[in-house]
Amino acid sequence: KAGVTQTPRYLIKTRGQQVTLSCSPISGHRSVSWYQQTPGQGLQFLFEYFSETQRNKGNFPGRFSGRQFSNSRSEMNVSTLELGDSALYLCASSLASGGKTGETQYFGPGTRLLVL
Amino acid sequence: AQSVTQPDIHITVSEGASLELRCNYSYGATPYLFWYVQSPGQGLQLLLKYFSGDTLVQGIKGFEAEFKRSQSSFNLRKPSVHWSDAAEYFCAVGPFDGGSQGNLIFGKGTKLSVKP
Repeated sequence: KAGVTQTPRYLIKTRGQQVTLSCSPISGHRSVSWYQQTPGQGLQFLFEYFSETQRNKGNFPGRFSGRQFSNSRSEMNVSTLELGDSALYLCASSLASGGKTGETQYFGPGTRLLVL
Repeated sequence: AQSVTQPDIHITVSEGASLELRCNYSYGATPYLFWYVQSPGQGLQLLLKYFSGDTLVQGIKGFEAEFKRSQSSFNLRKPSVHWSDAAEYFCAVGPFDGGSQGNLIFGKGTKLSVKP
């Protein structure tokens, strides 16, 4: 079974631009979560989607948004990019059978975003 | 507030030596606890998890961890380290919301180097 895939793997943008990152979960997984990883702040939770609905959100500004499609694929968007948005963005999927909590999250390789 | 502390930023051990990576958490109830490993340029791979029951948890690649409620700790151990174990290790706590499983809080990570 294929793992979590993220596209693109690398991205360079300039300040003020917007960016869209994509995540395809493991087949059959219904929950997708996004995390930001930086050297200074470490791994921080952005948001989680389940059945096309955002059901949890971390402490990030509204410039960070996401969505989930009916096939569980997810996208996250960052508008008006700032230098501090440079990071590795990780997507994780889990089965979430019956909406249960605590199931294992499987991470993708991440998208490395550099904002100049 | 919930938090995870990994006191050791960087540890170096000799190949074949034993390993213990420390993790302390702050949480109001019995948490879900995880250890993940990240190799350079890769996403996170789950090593093991604790939800309830036996406090000694076995994981992949010969790793184990012990949950000690009295010490709020979940230390990761391996009896004999291999060169391929060199990576960064993250302890995580969560989820916190009854309906969500995406909100993991991660420690800052411990980078493991292995001497030949």
